Amino acid sequence: DTGVSQDPRHKITKRGQNVTFRCDPISEHNRLYWYRQTLGQGPEFLTYFQNEAQLEKSRLLSDRFSAERPKGSFSTLEIQRTEQGDSAMYLCASSLAAEANTEAFFGQGTRLTVV
Amino acid sequence: GNSVTQMEGPVTLSEEAFLTINCTYTATGYPSLFWYVQYPGEGLQLLLKATKADDKGSNKGFEATYRKETTSFHLEKGSVQVSDSAVYFCALRLRGSQGNLIFGKGTKLSVKP
Repeated sequence: DTGVSQDPRHKITKRGQNVTFRCDPISEHNRLYWYRQTLGQGPEFLTYFQNEAQLEKSRLLSDRFSAERPKGSFSTLEIQRTEQGDSAMYLCASSLAAEANTEAFFGQGTRLTVV
Repeated sequence: GNSVTQMEGPVTLSEEAFLTINCTYTATGYPSLFWYVQYPGEGLQLLLKATKADDKGSNKGFEATYRKETTSFHLEKGSVQVSDSAVYFCALRLRGSQGNLIFGKGTKLSVKP
């Protein structure tokens, strides 16, 4: 296992188009998180899954955003009708559990540019 | 609300200089604290962590001590190298939370030879 992988690494799309990103977590990790990072800011939590269940969504996750983790393995994040304000780095992280000292492992991210 | 505040960058140092990056937090309850590092072109990596007051996390010559009385977790290194050039993020995780991290804005460090 080479860690958390995300695809694509870069995506340029026209405003109004739909985009979908994929995250493959470390195989034995049951928790999966999505974050968004804009320029000059730290990552901001969007949503997380425990196995296939989506257990929390941030208020940052508008109804144009949807995330799935159908078999408790990989996850997808879809943005419908993209807006310029959606331009950001989208990060995925996975971990075994949420004990205090559990490390979250991050992927390299998908950089989205909406033109 | 819960938040992390870290010193703004960029920070530029000469090789072998002493590094301090300040981090303070506001949290309900008793969080765990983390420093993550992001090298150019790479993903976030955990640098060190501390889960209770007075714990010292350390890794690769970096250290940070969990100070509950000052709600701080400052990152220090005695002698930086060019290879330490990166963006450093302070973060907290609330106990009993869903496990998501709350990050500061990041501090960019550039080390010159």
